[in-house]
Amino acid sequence: DSGVTQTPKHLITATGQRVTLRCSPRSGDLSVYWYQQSLDQGLQFLIQYYNGEERAKGNILERFSAQQFPDLHSELNLSSLELGDSALYFCASSGGSGSVGTQYFGPGTRLLVL
Amino acid sequence: DQQVKQNSPSLSVQEGRISILNCDYTNSMFDYFLWYKKYPAEGPTFLISISSIKDKNEDGRFTVFLNKSAKHLSLHIVPSQPGDSAVYFCAAKEGSQGNLIFGKGTKLSVKP
Repeated sequence: DSGVTQTPKHLITATGQRVTLRCSPRSGDLSVYWYQQSLDQGLQFLIQYYNGEERAKGNILERFSAQQFPDLHSELNLSSLELGDSALYFCASSGGSGSVGTQYFGPGTRLLVL
Repeated sequence: DQQVKQNSPSLSVQEGRISILNCDYTNSMFDYFLWYKKYPAEGPTFLISISSIKDKNEDGRFTVFLNKSAKHLSLHIVPSQPGDSAVYFCAAKEGSQGNLIFGKGTKLSVKP
């Protein structure tokens, strides 16, 4: 158990809809990262938050947004969903903003867009 | 263009033998490398890491070797066990950037 929790574990929705994925980092970790893993792809970095502030952006679509709350949990919002958004979404946490700290991953949310 | 490449999608090894998983990278600014193991329906689990100032790091049955001049790293598992069967991801980090850049993974099968 990495100490990172993600809910829900599975999500099935329709095209055009909006969903929210939730992540709670390990106790004491200030950084939260979101990654997407599509079929046959490695994990693609989406966005990082550090202590409530956006720190880095990767290949995140404009339809996607995220935030980190004062209690350090984070939410990833996906809107106007398309079939191609079906993927595994992982959250990871680490102790620092850009330090050498190892990232610890949650179990992921499997999103299926029909 | 992929900055971290794992060219072997799969590897099959006999129990007790050595497993060698390879990873190549293109960005010379990467200063930290990590290996993660992933079982189906679970998140990636951190395995071992190495700083770019070192050429070897060992942790039990797992050893990571880094060849900076060749921009190549490898993960050695000795001896391999059936429980090691999983997908292994190589990841790299650049300086002050916090995010990791992952390869596409190598599926290791260790046969009894």
